[in-house]
Amino acid sequence: DAGITQSPRYKITETGRQVTLMCHQTWSHSYMFWYRQDLGHGLRLIYYSAAADITDKGEVPDGYVVSRSKTENFPLTLESATRSQTSVYFCASSTQGTSPLHFGNGTRLTVT
Amino acid sequence: EDKVVQSPLSLVVHEGDTVTLNCSYEVTNFRSLLWYKQEKKAPTFLFMLTSSGIEKKSGRLSSILDKKELFSILNITATQTGDSAVYLCAVVNTGTASKLTFGTGTRLQVTL
Repeated sequence: DAGITQSPRYKITETGRQVTLMCHQTWSHSYMFWYRQDLGHGLRLIYYSAAADITDKGEVPDGYVVSRSKTENFPLTLESATRSQTSVYFCASSTQGTSPLHFGNGTRLTVT
Repeated sequence: EDKVVQSPLSLVVHEGDTVTLNCSYEVTNFRSLLWYKQEKKAPTFLFMLTSSGIEKKSGRLSSILDKKELFSILNITATQTGDSAVYLCAVVNTGTASKLTFGTGTRLQVTL
């Protein structure tokens, strides 16, 4: 089925480890986004991409790295995980800059 | 910095009641305002509003935007238990390529 898929659904990792969250969409949407959702802060943009090989920082990019070698994939890497990065991470996509976002089901990450 | 404030933070109503959720915003160059519903997983798109005074309607849900007073409301009539969710409001700035700035949401609980 077409859609946007995130993996894993749940992840527990230790402080200092590298972890990659995967995002795959089958709509061929140009734009892809990574948000984190925390109590009291709502959804905050980490990174976004307007097309393959084009990425840009959002509101809270520190400690994260993204890449977009293919239109359909937009992985998010935490290079050295910290407890403050414990959160629910949502990937989203849209056709154009003005279109509504479609979200994946999220990855719940716990850093111990 | 763009800002979105939603009120109330949470709300408990009885099935059949009508509710109004509020969203006020500050944005340098307004493009659009969006409403999302979030149950346990991904936020799902409800409405996108770009013009002031024009009501968007979908079944028992409706929304309207006031660009002069910088706010939007989401109305739900004849509420049902399935309406229980967090309702998110977000704004898009013309200069930010579809990056959404979200409010922290209103948690609605509909009881029998």
